[in-house]
Amino acid sequence: DAGVIQSPRHEVTEMGQEVTLRCKPISGHNSLFWYRQTMMRGLELLIYFNNNVPIDDSGMPEDRFSAKMPNASFSTLKIQPSEPRDSAVYFCASGGQVTSGNTIYFGEGSWLTVV
Amino acid sequence: AQKVTQAQTEISVVEKEDVTLDCVYETRDTTYYLFWYKQPPSGELVFLIRRNSFDEQNEISGRYSWNFQKSTSSFNFTITASQVVDSAVYFCAEGVYNQGGKLIFGQGTELSVKP
Repeated sequence: DAGVIQSPRHEVTEMGQEVTLRCKPISGHNSLFWYRQTMMRGLELLIYFNNNVPIDDSGMPEDRFSAKMPNASFSTLKIQPSEPRDSAVYFCASGGQVTSGNTIYFGEGSWLTVV
Repeated sequence: AQKVTQAQTEISVVEKEDVTLDCVYETRDTTYYLFWYKQPPSGELVFLIRRNSFDEQNEISGRYSWNFQKSTSSFNFTITASQVVDSAVYFCAEGVYNQGGKLIFGQGTELSVKP
């Protein structure tokens, strides 16, 4: 079975450019999460969706960050304009029904460097 | 609020030694889930185990075992006869039932197994 698929795996971009990270969750999962990992802050939740609806975006750092989930099989995380402090690994994860004690599986991450 | 504490930042052992990684969680919820993930040097987050708050049975999977104790809010992870391939950062996380199952992560424990 395919896991969570993220693209790009690596991206280097210049400050001020727009960055779009993409995620395809595991088929049948109805929860999708975007996490960011940095040395300073560890793994922090940015936003999560349930049934394609954003439920909690309190972790989104600022207005430069936006996330969408237009359908059950695709989500994007956009940073516009990007800044060097956005350099991090961005993980997408998906999970099944909460009521069944869903297990959350992660993609391989998108390694972003903003120079 | 939920919080996960992994007090051990780094652990170094010699191959074949047993090692226990500690995890202490805080929560006011009666239903929650606890997870362990492994992050090898390649960077992906690999799911190891999920435990439900209402199931305090300990679990063993090969060289891995987990000790869940609600009385002390701990969910410790033991690797028996460690191997070099166990070298990784290990994260403990708590999932909250009524918040879509989003995960709150500890800061991680970096395990180094030397030959």
